[in-house]
Amino acid sequence: NAGVTQTPKFQVLKTGQSMTLQCAQDMNHEYMSWYRQDPGMGLRLIHYSVGAGITDQGEVPNGYNVSRSTTEDFPLRLLSAAPSQTSVYFCASKNHGGLRTLLHFGNGTRLTVT
Amino acid sequence: DAKTTQPTSMDCAEGRAANLPCNHSTISGNEYVYWYRQIHSQGPQYIIHGLKNNETNEMASLIITEDRKSSTLILPHATLRDTAVYYCIVRVITNAGGTSYGKLTFGQGSILTVHP
Repeated sequence: NAGVTQTPKFQVLKTGQSMTLQCAQDMNHEYMSWYRQDPGMGLRLIHYSVGAGITDQGEVPNGYNVSRSTTEDFPLRLLSAAPSQTSVYFCASKNHGGLRTLLHFGNGTRLTVT
Repeated sequence: DAKTTQPTSMDCAEGRAANLPCNHSTISGNEYVYWYRQIHSQGPQYIIHGLKNNETNEMASLIITEDRKSSTLILPHATLRDTAVYYCIVRVITNAGGTSYGKLTFGQGSILTVHP
């Protein structure tokens, strides 16, 4: 059971480049979300999804797009990377079993935009 | 949304109890209090959660005041490996697609340093 898998672990982009951060979970979880973590800022919610075909914005959605075509995958797209998007990104998921269920986190993707 | 306030940093001696406070004075009656921690360079890890009653598991105890405006996470016998950032989170409820879901919003957390 792999849990939540994020790829890549590290990525360096130039300003204006685009890329997709991948997140996959094998626990059949309905809910998936993306957070970014910056020094002194804690974890901030970017986008989340409550099931295939349903997404919604979190606290800091600007500059990011998401889609949820399958239950397993929740990719995060940066269409035109900016230095302000240099951060560590965490994907998390939890099941539909109710609001008391737990978030499972991936190990993060460290992104640097130069 | 109920906000949480935690001290920026705390220290604890190895083997002693670590008590981590959290204020959530605007918490609603149906919002849970969650605690997560993050060890350097790893993803956040669930510790414990509660609604009204005190809770205990193999990792920690959670004490919630009667008015629910604050809580304390207790690590009974702190070890060096407990050095981490500890997040106190109040679950935010939102509706999407006709389904209510808890959207966990993280604050800045408390850095706990356990000393030998």
